[in-house]
Amino acid sequence: SQTIHQWPATLVQPVGSPLSLECTVEGTSNPNLYWYRQAAGRGLQLLFYSVGIGQISSEVPQNLSASRPQDRQFILSSKKLLLSDSGFYLCAWRIGVETDTQYFGPGTRLTVL
Amino acid sequence: AQSVTQLGSHVSVSEGALVLLRCNYSSSVPPYLFWYVQYPNQGLQLLLKYTSAATLVKGINGFEAEFKKSETSFHLTKPSAHMSDAAEYFCAVRGGSNYKLTFGKGTLLTVNP
Repeated sequence: SQTIHQWPATLVQPVGSPLSLECTVEGTSNPNLYWYRQAAGRGLQLLFYSVGIGQISSEVPQNLSASRPQDRQFILSSKKLLLSDSGFYLCAWRIGVETDTQYFGPGTRLTVL
Repeated sequence: AQSVTQLGSHVSVSEGALVLLRCNYSSSVPPYLFWYVQYPNQGLQLLLKYTSAATLVKGINGFEAEFKKSETSFHLTKPSAHMSDAAEYFCAVRGGSNYKLTFGKGTLLTVNP
């Protein structure tokens, strides 16, 4: 069966510091991968998605970037964090066998102070 | 373009009472619709989905939802609420390229003893 991991689970960072959040999927190949941010009262906002290694699509302009160095690894980064980057970051995956459903990881709680 | 409106950011019911969480959607193509549940500080778990088959969809934990095209609605119901149902519920519509999901802002369900 497939499993999705995210780390760290929680993170507190000062404004201006760099960020790296990691998402990995096990038990599948060539998944579509997604990064979402959940801010209080705003639902989930799609940030990036990837259909393959090195292929990244950005949904909204922002202070963040994403990379996919391996088939089942998706990384969210920032060079300098802003207060507004605080939130709950969720990674999700989807595979072609069942093309309509996204499955979510446990999330990373980021607090920028 | 797709959009989702969840009526009521907070719904409170008594244990054993009917649960009704409302979702209306807008979609330029035949929609695929989803309900997810999120427990505190956890990722999203799929409750059920509508993918153009039966209009009454049964999901996990006794929840079901009915797709009504004429009303552009996909409301979530459960006949008898349980304390363990207390969580945040998100309605989502699939659309656009690469099966991106557009989420509503969520409804927080409180179950009172």
